[in-house]
Amino acid sequence: NAGVTQTPKFQVLKTGQSMTLQCAQDMNHEYMSWYRQDPGMGLRLIHYSVGAGITDQGEVPNGYNVSRSTTEDFPLRLLSAAPSQTSVYFCASSYSRGGKLFFGSGTQLSVL
Amino acid sequence: GQQLNQSPQSMFIQEGEDVSMNCTSSSIFNTWLWYKQDPGEGPVLLIALYKAGELTSNGRLTAQFGITRKDSFLNISASIPSDVGIYFCATMDSNYQLIWGAGTKLIIKP
Repeated sequence: NAGVTQTPKFQVLKTGQSMTLQCAQDMNHEYMSWYRQDPGMGLRLIHYSVGAGITDQGEVPNGYNVSRSTTEDFPLRLLSAAPSQTSVYFCASSYSRGGKLFFGSGTQLSVL
Repeated sequence: GQQLNQSPQSMFIQEGEDVSMNCTSSSIFNTWLWYKQDPGEGPVLLIALYKAGELTSNGRLTAQFGITRKDSFLNISASIPSDVGIYFCATMDSNYQLIWGAGTKLIIKP
């Protein structure tokens, strides 16, 4: 099993550009989430989903959109990138909310 | 929002040494989790604790859920090079969302 797959691994954007970070899981997990990791700050929840068609905001949702059209995929969209969005982004999934989280290997994003 | 205080921020140790790190909170929680993040990878769950006073081992790792339910510690015995990485504590709020510590970076001196 591949587990949680994130693409791309690295990305450089200019301020104002848009892009989508992809996340897919093959474990039939209902719960999926996006985190950002900044030095010295641990992981902060951006958005999460408890099932297809259901999404909700986390701690730091501003500037990010998500959708969940299938159980497997949970893309994260940056509509107009800002330097403050330079970070490492992790997608994670679990069988249910509160269950053991499985993380992808991350996307390192730089916004110039 | 709620915060977890994780210490130390970083540790420089010699191979073979024992390591101890801890995590404290001002609030009571019912779950404590310890994750490890290898360089360039996402965090992986090491140990989960669900009961005050619980002591759980996973190989050379031992973690305890504090009696007050406001703290937890993680010990690593006889450290080896593959132990390097960032160790995160985490707990769960009433909505089952994880609250994360800032991490302890473990570096092994050559």
